[in-house]
Amino acid sequence: EVQLVESGGGLVQPGGSLRLSCAASGFTFSDHYMDWVRQAPGKGLEWVGRTRKKANGYTTEYAASVKGRFTISRDDSKNSLYLQMNSLKTEDTAVYYCTRAAGAGYTPWDYWGQGTLVTVSS
Amino acid sequence: DIQMTQSPSSLSASVGDRVTITCRASHGINNYLAWFQQKPGKAPKSLIYAASSLQSGVPSKFSGSGSGTDFTLTISSLQPEDFATYYCQQYNDYPLTFGGGTKVEIK
Repeated sequence: EVQLVESGGGLVQPGGSLRLSCAASGFTFSDHYMDWVRQAPGKGLEWVGRTRKKANGYTTEYAASVKGRFTISRDDSKNSLYLQMNSLKTEDTAVYYCTRAAGAGYTPWDYWGQGTLVTVSS
Repeated sequence: DIQMTQSPSSLSASVGDRVTITCRASHGINNYLAWFQQKPGKAPKSLIYAASSLQSGVPSKFSGSGSGTDFTLTISSLQPEDFATYYCQQYNDYPLTFGGGTKVEIK
């Protein structure tokens, strides 16, 4: 059974940093692109960014709203995905989901984690 | 960026109704279009990809259609468990973008 379990959320002050983790199980993690998607309270879904797999050089893509502040990484030996968030702003307050892309290239998501809440407030 | 416009933003329907939600992309997206269902307090669930292909385990009452820039999600006979918010999303180009969502409520 595919499982994605996020952790690391919490309350942080504006300007602070936080690192989210997503533990994957039930599939060959290294074969898949992985993404982060967020949802501000009462709002719609917003893509945050993507990491490709080793065969694609672990390259990354980011939304303009987080580029230069957030960094996505992965550790295939630990079946884990990470989101390092720096210079946090109040507008980064959201539930953050990790998602599994079904394949590579133009690939949809097929599984989502349960999410972890990040609150940026003084 | 490719803008995704969903309509309506909300609708009221009865159990057994046929429901159709529309999604329009600002540019052609080569049918790289997905639909998701989200219930309150829960993570989204993937329903459809490539505009019309059902994800594994998704019941056949859900169907997707369309091409180019105009797409639809249809629920053939609405059941109590289908009351939720539905989102479309394009994965043709970065940034990946979502429609604003359609909330399906009980009439």
